[in-house]
Amino acid sequence: QKEVEQDPGPLSVPEGAIVSLNCTYSNSAFQYFMWYRQYSRKGPELLMYTYSSGNKEDGRFTAQVDKSSKYISLFIRDSQPSDSATYLCAMSEGTGGFKTIFGAGTRLFVKA
Amino acid sequence: GAGVSQSPSNKVTEKGKDVELRCDPISGHTALYWYRQSLGQGLEFLIYFQGNSAPDKSGLPSDRFSAERTGGSVSTLTIQRTQQEDSAVYLCASIDRVGSPLHFGNGTRLTVT
Repeated sequence: QKEVEQDPGPLSVPEGAIVSLNCTYSNSAFQYFMWYRQYSRKGPELLMYTYSSGNKEDGRFTAQVDKSSKYISLFIRDSQPSDSATYLCAMSEGTGGFKTIFGAGTRLFVKA
Repeated sequence: GAGVSQSPSNKVTEKGKDVELRCDPISGHTALYWYRQSLGQGLEFLIYFQGNSAPDKSGLPSDRFSAERTGGSVSTLTIQRTQQEDSAVYLCASIDRVGSPLHFGNGTRLTVT
């Protein structure tokens, strides 16, 4: 079993839809949770960064962390064609220089 | 140039040749990571450098892979006797302190023919 599980998709939605992306994990020591967006032939860019459980909102994006269920989510409201990309969840223990573990990424297509 | 810089952006090599991939992290960032991303796959951790500490090499897939970081800044990932399964995008990232999120370069796309 992988430490971080993420459905690779692809996920196709119409413009304006609400998108829900999810990851589950097995390591209860993870404390820092991130979502990255990756366009074709580019490096991943940080979208959201949260510590421990709870919600964080930034514009059209909301990240949720449920440590009791070992489950994290990213919601995208009013999705746009420019949101079409691969979304990677990532997490780390965060202290002592522990490495960041990534999910496989979910490919999202937003149709105009 | 405030971001992580990687070179070359693309590299095509013949099976059995050695290759060197370069990473210039963000100035002042103390930690540097190398990841590998195969087609349709997530990011696979390779190696991590933090300050003057011994690097964490636990992700290197074989002894053909090595990396060094000179002067606490630029890093080089070397792959000896390349194999076709080494074909992937090699991504470098840096952070300014432990617990911070990674900042990635655009990667080097390696193709072994």
